[in-house]
Amino acid sequence: QKEVEQNSGPLSVPEGAIASLNCTYSDRGSQSFFWYRQYSGKSPELIMFIYSNGDKEDGRFTAQLNKASQYVSLLIRDSQPSDSATYLCAVKGDAGGTSYGKLTFGQGTILTVHP
Amino acid sequence: DTEVTQTPKHLVMGMTNKKSLKCEQHMGHRAMYWYKQKAKKPPELMFVYSYEKLSINESVPSRFSPECPNSSLLNLHLHALQPEDSALYLCASSQDRAGGQPQHFGDGTRLSIL
Repeated sequence: QKEVEQNSGPLSVPEGAIASLNCTYSDRGSQSFFWYRQYSGKSPELIMFIYSNGDKEDGRFTAQLNKASQYVSLLIRDSQPSDSATYLCAVKGDAGGTSYGKLTFGQGTILTVHP
Repeated sequence: DTEVTQTPKHLVMGMTNKKSLKCEQHMGHRAMYWYKQKAKKPPELMFVYSYEKLSINESVPSRFSPECPNSSLLNLHLHALQPEDSALYLCASSQDRAGGQPQHFGDGTRLSIL
């Protein structure tokens, strides 16, 4: 069973702080990692994706990947109340297997940014 | 607004009805997906189409029948659904099934079964 685990929430941070969201995965062959944001009642929205070990930055968001530790994280700097949402970590199955192209989602972490 | 368009946005149907959900994208993507999402749960994959052929069926009950008429359209035909099938149904697309290609979701169809 290929699993994706996210740090249990909910996570509450003050406005302006750094929010840190963590995710581990069990399939060592996974190659692609995605973070989606989902507001209540809405569909998932792609925030970041990362394939290589290290950091990838996009505005206030930084994705970090460590394949040796099977760990991926999302940092949100200068958190705003509008960042309050559920954040879903998703891992894509490796090529050639029956799960090729399949996204496996974590359970999600609810983030609340309070003023 | 998303580039993946789903219709209708809301659907209420009885257990004996037949209805269809529609999904359209004009990004030239060759992989399209159906997901089901229950409240406070992550999306669950139902079907994957790659180059208009069904590639993955996650053991979905036959009361759900997917169809991909062309590279831009994806339908989900519904028949004799159960109350537990009430959920948000999400369509997504990606360039292809390759690992590096992100999936982009439509706004979803919220389905209620009476």
